Amino acid sequence: EDQVTQSPEALRLQEGESSSLNCSYTVSGLRGLFWYRQDPGKGPEFLFTLYSAGEEKEKERLKATLTKKESFLHITAPKPEDSATYLCAVQGAYGNAGNMLTFGGGTRLMVKP
Amino acid sequence: NAGVTQTPKFRVLKTGQSMTLLCAQDMNHEYMYWYRQDPGMGLRLIHYSVGEGTTAKGEVPDGYNVSRLKKQNFLLGLESAAPSQTSVYFCASSTTTSGRGEQYFGPGTRLTVT
Repeated sequence: EDQVTQSPEALRLQEGESSSLNCSYTVSGLRGLFWYRQDPGKGPEFLFTLYSAGEEKEKERLKATLTKKESFLHITAPKPEDSATYLCAVQGAYGNAGNMLTFGGGTRLMVKP
Repeated sequence: NAGVTQTPKFRVLKTGQSMTLLCAQDMNHEYMYWYRQDPGMGLRLIHYSVGEGTTAKGEVPDGYNVSRLKKQNFLLGLESAAPSQTSVYFCASSTTTSGRGEQYFGPGTRLTVT
């Protein structure tokens, strides 16, 4: 059974204070690891897909990295508009004809001005 | 291009009532999904579909039924609502293109069962 654990559950940062969010996972054959952003009252918004250990992807102040056991979402010099819940999900390769995702519980990020 | 849309946005039901949630996507995606999101539980898959006329059970299917009569629509039904089905429901879709496994989500339906 695929499992995803995100830490911390909540993170408070001052504007400009860089930090990282962690996503630990176990999966039978990783097809992809996904990061989403979710604002209150809205659906998750796709950010990145990582496919293999060592891969990195960047978007504005966000950079996602991947190892064989975990992924990090690094936030550099965050701004208040980066405040949201960040979700991590994995897609296993075996017995997954429906391309299903297994989600973690999310990290709620709050950036104060 | 509206992406994934959901109807209604909010609904209040009494225990035992029935309702149908509608999901529509205009991206010509083959796969569609229904999730529920509860505090402390994260997103959990209810049912999914890999194409028109096909459906399959996810992690928490009990109490729900689905239908996919048209490629662009995926309906979620509650035959006899229970308070435990109070939740926020999200629909998502994805393509089968190799290397493109990401799912795109709708805005959600907030359902309260009293």
